Amino acid sequence: AQSVTQPDIHITVSEGASLELRCNYSYGATPYLFWYVQSPGQGLQLLLKYFSGDTLVQGIKGFEAEFKRSQSSFNLRKPSVHWSDAAEYFCAVGRYGGATNKLIFGTGTLLAVQP
Amino acid sequence: ETGVTQTPRHLVMGMTNKKSLKCEQHLGHNAMYWYKQSAKKPLELMFVYNFKEQTENNSVPSRFSPECPNSSHLFLHLHTLQPEDSALYLCASSLEGGKVSGRYRGTDTQYFGPGTRLTVL
Repeated sequence: AQSVTQPDIHITVSEGASLELRCNYSYGATPYLFWYVQSPGQGLQLLLKYFSGDTLVQGIKGFEAEFKRSQSSFNLRKPSVHWSDAAEYFCAVGRYGGATNKLIFGTGTLLAVQP
Repeated sequence: ETGVTQTPRHLVMGMTNKKSLKCEQHLGHNAMYWYKQSAKKPLELMFVYNFKEQTENNSVPSRFSPECPNSSHLFLHLHTLQPEDSALYLCASSLEGGKVSGRYRGTDTQYFGPGTRLTVL
């Protein structure tokens, strides 16, 4: 069955430091992969997505993610974190081609940013 | 209004009440979704509508009743809820490619609304 694992429940980084959030997936076919961000009390905002092509994907707010098929990973990175990046981040894999297209989400990583 | 909107943003109800959550998308999409987000749990897909047809009911209790009168509007009717139903309910929409041989062709990104924070007393 398809699944997404985000091994880090909570991460704290200092403002200006680099960030990497991990995501591993299990999926039998070529995956469609997404990163969403959720601020407190808000819905999910799409950061970036990978459907095909270049395995390094650029997103909004200076984020990027790299698809590594051999490692079944899609880690999210940012070279310099800003205080406004504090939020919860969700990785998701798209399951398509069936009776219903759906997203399978990980449990999320809560990012805290220290001044 | 742009994007996906949800009303109300907050709702407190007793277990015997009947209420409805509303979602509206202004993106020209043709698929709409209800998700439940509880603390410490992954987002749970509840229902999916494609072209106004319900294509997924993820074993959701009958006290939750969805309605999709057109591709732009989605409702979740609530009755005799339990305290464990307290959660953030998120609506999403996407642009689907239509069916070929019973399967949907491709898909696009799901865009989410801000959610309704539901508290059941």
